[in-house]
Amino acid sequence: AQSVTQLDSHVSVSEGTPVLLRCNYSSSYSPSLFWYVQHPNKGLQLLLKYTSAATLVKGINGFEAEFKKSETSFHLTKPSAHMSDAAEYFCVVSVFNNNDMRFGAGTRLTVKP
Amino acid sequence: EPEVTQTPSHQVTQMGQEVILRCVPISNHLYFYWYRQILGQKVEFLVSFYNNEISEKSEIFDDQFSVERPDGSNFTLKIRSTKLEDSAMYFCASEQVGADTQYFGPGTRLTVL
Repeated sequence: AQSVTQLDSHVSVSEGTPVLLRCNYSSSYSPSLFWYVQHPNKGLQLLLKYTSAATLVKGINGFEAEFKKSETSFHLTKPSAHMSDAAEYFCVVSVFNNNDMRFGAGTRLTVKP
Repeated sequence: EPEVTQTPSHQVTQMGQEVILRCVPISNHLYFYWYRQILGQKVEFLVSFYNNEISEKSEIFDDQFSVERPDGSNFTLKIRSTKLEDSAMYFCASEQVGADTQYFGPGTRLTVL
């Protein structure tokens, strides 16, 4: 069965500094991996996805993630945090089809001025 | 940009009552999903729906739950007799045929008293 583990429940950075949100996955088969972001009172917005193409995936708002099979990781990064990046971020894995998407517990990102 | 909408944003009900949560998926999407997130816990898959029938459901989706697409635009989740443990945020998602990305609504917060 597939699953994801988000290693940090809360990450706090200063505006303008890099962001790293960590995600490790477990899957018996080639996974599809996603990062979603949830701003307060908003839906889950897709940031980026990996589906067996390029291992470095670029998403919206300057975020990117690298699929590392050897480390079973799919960490989300951004070179310079913006105040508007403050939100909850979810790493998600699926296999075969998207009927069975498994969410991580989420990481709350706080951006300090 | 088209988006998934959900109503109501917050529903309060008494234990044992029936509730219907409504979702309007993106118009050209044909796959529909419901997820829930109990406070402090992970987002969990409930059910997927395609071609007017359930294509997959989790162990959470027992006989108390049902889904329906009553017309060409709405997708509903009904809980027949609510329990305290049904209190959660319920997310609807939709997906285009041939795509591999689900788009989520803002959620309905269900509180069972």
